[in-house]
Amino acid sequence: GAVVSQHPSWVICKSGTSVKIECRSLDFQATTMFWYRQFPKQSLMLMATSNEGSKATYEQGVEKDKFLINHASLTLSTLTVTSAHPEDSSFYICSAREVDRLYGYTFGSGTRLTVV
Amino acid sequence: QKEVEQDPGPLSVPEGAIVSLNCTYSNSAFQYFMWYRQYSRKGPELLMYTYSSGNKEDGRFTAQVDKSSKYISLFIRDSQPSDSATYLCAMRGTGNQFYFGTGTSLTVIP
Repeated sequence: GAVVSQHPSWVICKSGTSVKIECRSLDFQATTMFWYRQFPKQSLMLMATSNEGSKATYEQGVEKDKFLINHASLTLSTLTVTSAHPEDSSFYICSAREVDRLYGYTFGSGTRLTVV
Repeated sequence: QKEVEQDPGPLSVPEGAIVSLNCTYSNSAFQYFMWYRQYSRKGPELLMYTYSSGNKEDGRFTAQVDKSSKYISLFIRDSQPSDSATYLCAMRGTGNQFYFGTGTSLTVIP
């Protein structure tokens, strides 16, 4: 089945630094990938939709200059949290959809970001 | 009003019990309904999916959709400790965007 690899699985960084999270579709091509954020005991909140070869579409309230998304190939999307602050600490999850797979948005394993 | 409402629990049941998880929604345009299971510190994995109204069974899991009531359910029979996880309902219309419930935390006690 479709596999989405997300790296790193956890990261600790200092305030003010930037962190890059990678999301790869391993055995299929994904023209569209999604980035979610999840706080403890809360649901997944869509941050942005990443389209291969074009600019990402951000949800209302998500700062595009802070959360930089690059989808340079059909198998890779990256999320860079710039100038991270403690309030950016969260669980970030990507997902990707295989073409013609109506239900199957495969999720990555998530990245636990802690900003100290 | 949220698009999708789900009781966060936590829900604790003895091993072997029947578990009922539910979500309600407000958007009548939703057509695709999914249940995801999420273990701690992991990404969600697709468990069941249904299209429009009806039932679907897969082993110990049964998904039900009642579009007239805007209500979906997931039943787990003969629950096992390995079923302990957070269960998220999700749904979408014809677009790409998923709408998730908050998730229900389930613990099955041996």
